Amino acid sequence: GNSVTQMEGPVTLSEEAFLTINCTYTATGYPSLFWYVQYPGEGLQLLLKATKADDKGSNKGFEATYRKETTSFHLEKGSVQVSDSAVYFCALRSGGTSYGKLTFGQGTILTVHP
Amino acid sequence: DTAVSQTPKYLVTQMGNDKSIKCEQNLGHDTMYWYKQDSKKFLKIMFSYNNKELIINETVPNRFSPKSPDKAHLNLHINSLELGDSAVYFCASSKSQGTNYGYTFGSGTRLTVV
Repeated sequence: GNSVTQMEGPVTLSEEAFLTINCTYTATGYPSLFWYVQYPGEGLQLLLKATKADDKGSNKGFEATYRKETTSFHLEKGSVQVSDSAVYFCALRSGGTSYGKLTFGQGTILTVHP
Repeated sequence: DTAVSQTPKYLVTQMGNDKSIKCEQNLGHDTMYWYKQDSKKFLKIMFSYNNKELIINETVPNRFSPKSPDKAHLNLHINSLELGDSAVYFCASSKSQGTNYGYTFGSGTRLTVV
């Protein structure tokens, strides 16, 4: 079945530091890949997505590239802010017997200090 | 506002009680979901309905019963609540065609069983 593995957290950074959160996946077929963000006390918001190999998704300074050869979709940001403190989820969606179900990684808690 | 809305936002109840959570979306999506988020932030799908038809039913105790009166609404009824049911429950919706679309999530219902 489909699965997503994210790097262990929590991650603690100082403001303006470089961020990488690793994400690898296992899936049949050609899944679409997503990053969601959950701010404290809120629901999940779509941060960015990529729907085919070599696509780059980007939003709010965050980027991730769909790498089929390494089955990865790592999230990066060049300079984090305190307001980026949140939980980040990598996810994939594929068709077939999964009925388009969105499968999430375990989430990575990011804390950014001033 | 276009959104996925859940009620109530907080629910505190005693063991053994029966409770319901309601969800509505006005995005014109045809598929709706219930996810459970545990204390470690792990997200697990429970149910999915497409045009009022149940298409995903993960291994969930039969004390949990979803109902979809129309494609804009998906409710979750829980009988005989147990301590282990304490979690945040998220409703979400999406378009079913293709896998390029992500989900839109509600803001969650924090259920506490005492």
